[in-house]
Amino acid sequence: EAQVTQNPRYLITVTGKKLTVTCSQNMNHEYMSWYRQDPGLGLRQIYYSMNVEVTDKGDVPEGYKVSRKEKRNFPLILESPSPNQTSLYFCASSFKPGLAGADTQYFGPGTRLTVL
Amino acid sequence: ELKVEQNPLFLSMQEGKNYTIYCNYSTTSDRLYWYRQDPGKSLESLFVLLSNGAVKQEGRLMASLDTKARLSTLHITAAVHDLSATYFCAVDYLSGAGSYQLTFGKGTKLSVIP
Repeated sequence: EAQVTQNPRYLITVTGKKLTVTCSQNMNHEYMSWYRQDPGLGLRQIYYSMNVEVTDKGDVPEGYKVSRKEKRNFPLILESPSPNQTSLYFCASSFKPGLAGADTQYFGPGTRLTVL
Repeated sequence: ELKVEQNPLFLSMQEGKNYTIYCNYSTTSDRLYWYRQDPGKSLESLFVLLSNGAVKQEGRLMASLDTKARLSTLHITAAVHDLSATYFCAVDYLSGAGSYQLTFGKGTKLSVIP
């Protein structure tokens, strides 16, 4: 089954304790991205990756890191989480945007993070 | 910076009525997406609109794209309760770094009441 998986789905942590949210897709997609969703603000892009070893900042990258060492995985790293990073996080993937017939993005189930 | 504005942000409508959600964006793009999100769930793709004048329909929903006006509409026909959800439009554009970024509107929360 084609899917994007995220782990963990729920996480409560404390300020300053490093954490990683994993994201994996099985559709051989080149493009992967991370979003955070906050009430009244919609979804905002944190980081995205056009392919292996190619990553770029989205609209709200401060406090986050990513890596893309394999095509299928795109982990989101919070080195020193703070309470303002409490949010719902979504990973998404697609074939390369800009190509004729570009596909839509497929979203993971979400990770609800609370930083105390 | 690309701005994507949806209106209305909240919509309460009666079953059986028609209504339109609007999505305006601020810079040139030929690709616009509509998503649906149910409470506590992930986003589900509804439509991908890839060219000026594109129109797509699925059940009671119809989406259109006017790239010259930088406007997309999502029209709801004869609403039913099952359509209650939050609807997002999103636009992708070529960033200065030569890669594509996707920007979302803030969403329209639709409630269909009997």
